[in-house]
Amino acid sequence: GESVGLHLPTLSVQEGDNSIINCAYSNSASDYFIWYKQESGKGPQFIIDIRSNMDKRQGQRVTVLLNKTVKHLSLQIAATQPGDSAVYFCAENAHLTGRRALTFGSGTRLQVQP
Amino acid sequence: SAVISQKPSRDICQRGTSLTIQCQVDSQVTMMFWYRQQPGQSLTLIATANQGSEATYESGFVIDKFPISRPNLTFSTLTVSNMSPEDSSIYLCSASGQGLEQYFGPGTRLTVT
Repeated sequence: GESVGLHLPTLSVQEGDNSIINCAYSNSASDYFIWYKQESGKGPQFIIDIRSNMDKRQGQRVTVLLNKTVKHLSLQIAATQPGDSAVYFCAENAHLTGRRALTFGSGTRLQVQP
Repeated sequence: SAVISQKPSRDICQRGTSLTIQCQVDSQVTMMFWYRQQPGQSLTLIATANQGSEATYESGFVIDKFPISRPNLTFSTLTVSNMSPEDSSIYLCSASGQGLEQYFGPGTRLTVT
């Protein structure tokens, strides 16, 4: 079936460096994408979202890039901090088709080395 | 953003019993969902909780095993029935309002012995 996946299961970066987490999706009808951060023992925390009519969106220290041609999105974290250590999930839905439930990728663990 | 709470936060249950998990949202929301997250894995949608009507279940999940209620726009319950060790997991409630953003509760960590 349709799925959302990730290229790298674990990413280790030095504190202060920029991090890039990638995600591929397969559903051509996907039109809304969210990145979540999940810390150990907690529920997923909304970070940033992007709609399919955009290719870039920026937040505080985070940027999401969407390439619909190759069905790929990425999360960039600037000046990565130890508090950014967590598992990051991309998720998508096709809300214009009426489906509001999310399909999640497999997750990337980000480890920030002090 | 919506603030979502779940009760209980964790439980240890014996096989064959049932557990009802409650999800409370601090504001009226359009959509509520239930997901399962097995240890070290991603989230899988169980069902969409529909207000005033039967929940919509994903493939592999059935109402007899996971009955869901949603009596109003801020509250939903998920029951895990006739539990087995394979049901040990984290159960997560999420909600979405007029916008597309979807927010999650802290999860209920279930261990079945």
